[in-house]
Amino acid sequence: GENVEQHPSTLSVQEGDSAVIKCTYSDSASNYFPWYKQELGKGPQLIIDIRSNVGEKKDQRIAVTLNKTAKHFSLHITETQPEDSAVYFCAASIDNQGGKLIFGQGTELSVKP
Amino acid sequence: DSGVTQTPKHLITATGQRVTLRCSPRSGDLSVYWYQQSLDQGLQFLIQYYNGEERAKGNILERFSAQQFPDLHSELNLSSLELGDSALYFCASSRRDFSSGNTIYFGEGSWLTVV
Repeated sequence: GENVEQHPSTLSVQEGDSAVIKCTYSDSASNYFPWYKQELGKGPQLIIDIRSNVGEKKDQRIAVTLNKTAKHFSLHITETQPEDSAVYFCAASIDNQGGKLIFGQGTELSVKP
Repeated sequence: DSGVTQTPKHLITATGQRVTLRCSPRSGDLSVYWYQQSLDQGLQFLIQYYNGEERAKGNILERFSAQQFPDLHSELNLSSLELGDSALYFCASSRRDFSSGNTIYFGEGSWLTVV
């Protein structure tokens, strides 16, 4: 079945710096790649997603890139702020398998003021 | 607020017992997913229902079962509970049962502690 690997497991940056989180997936049939942010005591919240027919997508300070050939995708956060501190999860989904998400292991991002 | 409602928020029970977790999906969503989150296993997909029918199955133990009712709410039943079942259980919902154009929204979770 599909497997998603996520790195790094922890990431600490200074406020204003950029943060990059990388994921690789195993099943080339995967065609949907969302990123979720989970704050302490809360459920995962979708922050951005990308579909397989697009190479890059940007939403203000957040961007995601997808390399289908290499089967990897990345989350880029620019001008980080302390409120960006949370656990970030990447996920992959295959269209004809019900839409269920297979998640990476998560990255704990800490933004130091 | 994602619009996905889960009850109870917290639950403490003894080993060997049975519990039921309840989920109300977002209005209009036909698909419901259950996930288990633990420190060592991350977010693990358990099972998915679409419009009352089982659609996909993940790493769900035989001691666990789920169903989706005609009003689209779903229940996850956990029986013969073990200490290792202590985890955060999330319900999520979406409009459809495939990836394209189908955003999945998560509830706040039910925190289960087995003692």
